[in-house]
Formats: sequence, structure tokens, C-alpha cells
Amino acid sequence: GAVVSQHPSRVICKSGTSVKIECRSLDFQATTMFWYRQFPKQSLMLMATSNEGSKATYEQGVEKDKFLINHASLTLSTLTVTSAHPEDSSFYICSAREGGPKNTGELFFGEGSRLTVL
Amino acid sequence: DAKTTQPTSMDCAEGRAANLPCNHSTISGNEYVYWYRQIHSQGPQYIIHGLKNNETNEMASLIITEDRKSSTLILPHATLRDTAVYYCIVRVAAGAGSYQLTFGKGTKLSVIP
Repeated sequence: GAVVSQHPSRVICKSGTSVKIECRSLDFQATTMFWYRQFPKQSLMLMATSNEGSKATYEQGVEKDKFLINHASLTLSTLTVTSAHPEDSSFYICSAREGGPKNTGELFFGEGSRLTVL
Repeated sequence: DAKTTQPTSMDCAEGRAANLPCNHSTISGNEYVYWYRQIHSQGPQYIIHGLKNNETNEMASLIITEDRKSSTLILPHATLRDTAVYYCIVRVAAGAGSYQLTFGKGTKLSVIP
């Protein structure tokens, strides 16, 4: 299947700093990417839908000014957690679907990025 | 998307078949059944999906009841590496509409040596 890669896999930062997480589709073009957040022992919660070349659509309760999403190309979406606080510590996961005639509707997930805010 | 109900946890002996049930009694005619799994501290992995016919691939088999109100994911010969949380998700047809996946709590499958 198609490969989605996230970087970094783990990041530790101080409270008040900003952290950027990258999500790349390595062997396909992704017109749409999704960002999820997962707290310990909980399921994945969708944060936002990222569409290439347009503004992201955020789920209810997710602050768009805190979680900045940029999807400037068909292979890269970034999530920036601004002014991170300890409660933002979580496992962030992106997923992408392949566009065009190869689109089977399957979503492919990245390996996840674990953010720890001290 | 239709809501699904899965058992919280299941155990399976290594080498035996693991049968994971899922109820989706409110499924619509254009909704597919998808299965993903998440091994600890990794991103979800696609397993299989189907509409109404039974499906099989190299990972698993998917059995969907005739009324489509429930399905069973079968891992024919479970290994320790199959220990994971398995998510059954129902959503609109592939190739149209919303692609986002709504994850429930899933079934934590523990494969026991």
C-alpha cells in the first residue's frame, strides 16, 4: 500500500514553544490529509481535514489558531502546535488518501508523532 | 456514518483463528465496512473493507451477514504480532463523499502464546 511518513516521531519541548510536525505521502499525491490526536488509552479523534491549496477544516472544539495546518503541496501537510502546553501532550497521527484514478477510498496512516510538553 | 459496536477486548491463542465481531445495525446501503488495526504506539493500519460480499486478502477475511447489520473479521492464524486494537468503521462508499474515518473504541485483541 501507499506510504505516509511523519516527522518527527517523538518530540519533547518546553511549555510555550511551538512544534511543527510534518506528514508526507511518499509515493502518491494526497489531495486530502487528515490530522488526528490520540490521548493515552483513548481512540483517535479527528482534529482537522487538510485540503491541498486551501484552508483546513477544523472539527468542533479544535482551536484553529493553536493548531496551524498547512497543505501547500500534494505530498506534504504540516501541523504546528503553537504555544504548546502540557495538556497538548499527545500522539498526533496524520492520514492521507490517494487522489486521481488510483483513489480507492482507502486512507493510509503515518507512524504518528508523540509530543511531550514539559 | 453508522455507529458500530465491538467488544472491548478479546483473547486468542497463538496459531488459532481470531474472530472479531462488529455490529452495525444502522448501516446504510451505500456504506462500506472497513477494518483497521493499531499496534501500540503506531499509526492505524488498513486491513480490509467490503460492501456486502465476503472479502479476503493476505491479512484477513471479512464476513458480512446478508442483512449487513454485522460483520466478522477473521485472522486465520493469529500470531503475537497481531496483538493490537482492531477498529471496525462504517462509512460512505469509497470514491465519493467524505473520506474521514470516525474511530470508536475498538477491540483490544491479545494473542497469547
